Amino acid sequence: DQQVKQNSPSLSVQEGRISILNCDYTNSMFDYFLWYKKYPAEGPTFLISISSIKDKNEDGRFTVFLNKSAKHLSLHIVPSQPGDSAVYFCAASGGVQGAQKLVFGQGTRLTINP
Amino acid sequence: GAGVSQSPRYKVAKRGQDVALRCDPISGHVSLFWYQQALGQGPEFLTYFQNEAQLDKSGLPSDRFFAERPEGSVSTLKIQRTQQEDSAVYLCASSHRVTEAFFGQGTRLTVV
Repeated sequence: DQQVKQNSPSLSVQEGRISILNCDYTNSMFDYFLWYKKYPAEGPTFLISISSIKDKNEDGRFTVFLNKSAKHLSLHIVPSQPGDSAVYFCAASGGVQGAQKLVFGQGTRLTINP
Repeated sequence: GAGVSQSPRYKVAKRGQDVALRCDPISGHVSLFWYQQALGQGPEFLTYFQNEAQLDKSGLPSDRFFAERPEGSVSTLKIQRTQQEDSAVYLCASSHRVTEAFFGQGTRLTVV
């Protein structure tokens, strides 16, 4: 039972263009969503988050959008830079599982081409 | 230290061997989490501590898995009688809140 899904295993984007990473979830009780970035041989690094009471959160080049009715969130990176090449995980928390446990998607490998 | 430190970084174990994985959280962080990440998958929750209390161990896959944090700081994840399906990266994270969980580099366990 995959509660958080990232249906695109990989994405390739030209440097300077917009990268859009998508994530879907099934548990309507989730109330907090996060994006993590992971380089090879390193642990995930927190990138940006959004509460279910909002539909958008922006931090520099990174913006997360939340569509609760569609149970969908997306991460926009603009402009994309070569250093953004990494695996991106979306994660969710809340509901009956409690606020202390993160449920992760499978990840999307983003490659930024110069 | 400045971040979450895990040791060893890599561990090769023969099937049936016991292993112990160590996590040094960020100083002062009350919450500590263990996750298991299989190849090509996202991290999956194993267990959660608040100080020395293990408040949630619902993700531990079997009774061969045991975690402790006796003094509310360093934590150890122990796997007894390792099996090939235990091969994965084991991630430790610490935080004040789940919204700011900081992950270590992980321990890659390979069971042969």
